[in-house]
Amino acid sequence: NAGVMQNPRHLVRRRGQEARLRCSPMKGHSHVYWYRQLPEEGLKFMVYLQKENIIDESGMPKERFSAEFPKEGPSILRIQQVVRGDSAAYFCASSPSSGDYYEQYFGPGTRLTVT
Amino acid sequence: SQQGEEDPQALSIQEGENATMNCSYKTSINNLQWYRQNSGRGLVHLILIRSNEREKHSGRLRVTLDTSKKSSSLLITASRAADTASYFCATVSQGYKLTFGKGTLLTVNP
Repeated sequence: NAGVMQNPRHLVRRRGQEARLRCSPMKGHSHVYWYRQLPEEGLKFMVYLQKENIIDESGMPKERFSAEFPKEGPSILRIQQVVRGDSAAYFCASSPSSGDYYEQYFGPGTRLTVT
Repeated sequence: SQQGEEDPQALSIQEGENATMNCSYKTSINNLQWYRQNSGRGLVHLILIRSNEREKHSGRLRVTLDTSKKSSSLLITASRAADTASYFCATVSQGYKLTFGKGTLLTVNP
């Protein structure tokens, strides 16, 4: 049973370009979470999605960031017009359901570097 | 501000020694979780302790929880070089939102 898959693992973008990060949850998991980790920091919650629905995007910057989890295919985190401050590791996690006692399984992350 | 704060920020020990990391949090919780992150990798879930539990064991790991002090500790016994990693505590709010501290970087020297 494959774990959470993220691609690409490393992404380099110039300022002003778009970054698209993909996440395929574990088989049977319909709940996806995105977290961002800045250097020397812990992970910060960005957004929680279920199939075709955004449940909580309270951690997403108001502009340039969007996320989706379509009926078919992976979840996508999209960053438009990237700036240097967007350089970070972006982690996706999935779970079969939500609730305090459901473990979230994390992917290996995508490391975004904005030059 | 961080819900979980780990202490110390960095810890260096010799193989075979025990490592203790502490975590403090601010609000009431239903459970607290500990994760490990190897350099440049994703997070691995280690252990979950519920608010009505005081201590939990998993292999060489022992976690304690003191809800009156809003603190938890992670003890790794008989450490190995492979235990070198960053360790994070996380609390859960709203049933899904994990809030992590900045982590403790543990280095186990052979």
